[in-house]
Amino acid sequence: QKEVEQNSGPLSVPEGAIASLNCTYSDRGSQSFFWYRQYSGKSPELIMSIYSNGDKEDGRFTAQLNKASQYVSLLIRDSQPSDSATYLCAVNTGNQFYFGTGTSLTVIP
Amino acid sequence: GAVVSQHPSRVICKSGTSVKIECRSLDFQATTMFWYRQFPKKSLMLMATSNEGSKATYEQGVEKDKFLINHASLTLSTLTVTSAHPEDSSFYICSATQGASNYGYTFGSGTRLTVV
Repeated sequence: QKEVEQNSGPLSVPEGAIASLNCTYSDRGSQSFFWYRQYSGKSPELIMSIYSNGDKEDGRFTAQLNKASQYVSLLIRDSQPSDSATYLCAVNTGNQFYFGTGTSLTVIP
Repeated sequence: GAVVSQHPSRVICKSGTSVKIECRSLDFQATTMFWYRQFPKKSLMLMATSNEGSKATYEQGVEKDKFLINHASLTLSTLTVTSAHPEDSSFYICSATQGASNYGYTFGSGTRLTVV
């Protein structure tokens, strides 16, 4: 079992819709959770971090963490074509930092 | 916020030559830096963990004699691709963290290496 698992997609949503990206992790001791966005040909950039159960909102982005279910998600409201990218989930277990393989999102104008 | 600078952003070299890529943490000290490789439309692949003042830790399958890593200071790590071949052409990305578990990794801008 991989440490961090994501659906590779591709995920397509129409402009203005909500995009929902999901991630599960295997280490119950994981302490911090991150979402990165990577545009084609560019390096990943950090867009959200979350450490406690519940929701964390930042503009159009909401990260959700459920430690009991070992599940973290990213919601993008009012999706824009500029949100089209690969989204990487990352988990810090305290000893190691693991990345998922990423979910490709396409927002259709 | 934390900034990681990576140079060069793009390099083309002849087969058999060596290429050095630099990764600098600009506003924080990074005792540990990480080197990744990424092929088109593929996920990040961790190559090695670079530790200041000690030898790098390489992931399984990564040739340590081919990918030389030096972490001479708390703000600089270098990756040298020795005797490069066309199959080494890839996107190389470094990252660093400020250390505490609640910090994410900050990535450099990446280096596109093309070996001809």
